[in-house]
Amino acid sequence: QKEVEQDPGPLSVPEGAIVSLNCTYSNSAFQYFMWYRQYSRKGPELLMYTYSSGNKEDGRFTAQVDKSSKYISLFIRDSQPSDSATYLCAIEYNQGGKLIFGQGTELSVKP
Amino acid sequence: AAGVIQSPRHLIKEKRETATLKCYPIPRHDTVYWYQQGPGQDPQFLISFYEKMQSDKGSIPDRFSAQQFSDYHSELNMSSLELGDSALYFCASSMPTGGTDTQYFGPGTRLTVL
Repeated sequence: QKEVEQDPGPLSVPEGAIVSLNCTYSNSAFQYFMWYRQYSRKGPELLMYTYSSGNKEDGRFTAQVDKSSKYISLFIRDSQPSDSATYLCAIEYNQGGKLIFGQGTELSVKP
Repeated sequence: AAGVIQSPRHLIKEKRETATLKCYPIPRHDTVYWYQQGPGQDPQFLISFYEKMQSDKGSIPDRFSAQQFSDYHSELNMSSLELGDSALYFCASSMPTGGTDTQYFGPGTRLTVL
């Protein structure tokens, strides 16, 4: 079993929709949770990170961590065609350490 | 803003050849990470260096070796290449901030082994 599980999709939504992306993880000791966006043939780009439980909002993006259920989410409001990319959840194994990625969810936002 | 630089961007090699991938971290970043991303796969951690010392090791084959130099750039050396080594190789760099050490990824080197 992978330490981080993510539904690979693909996920297709119309422009303006609210998108919900989710991951589960196995180790309750994890503290730092990230969401990366990766466009085709490019390097992952950090979108948001969250420490421990709670919500974090940045513009149209909201990251949510529920440590009790080991569940992390990314919500995208008013989705745009430019949001079309693969979204990877990631967990920092320990402070300053390696990242463990989920499989990535391919998102397509149709105009 | 300066980003992580990787070279070459594309590399084609034959089986059993060797390859060297280079990574130049963001200025003042002292930690470098290497990841391998196969087709349709998530990035897998290979190895990391902090202040020129190996800090962590993941699923890196014995055929691969890496080091970080005094100017903090890093090289990933791959020998006896196999078809399965074809992948995108990402380098990321970070600097300690007291919280999470955000990793910034380079554009990757696409290695194709024929």
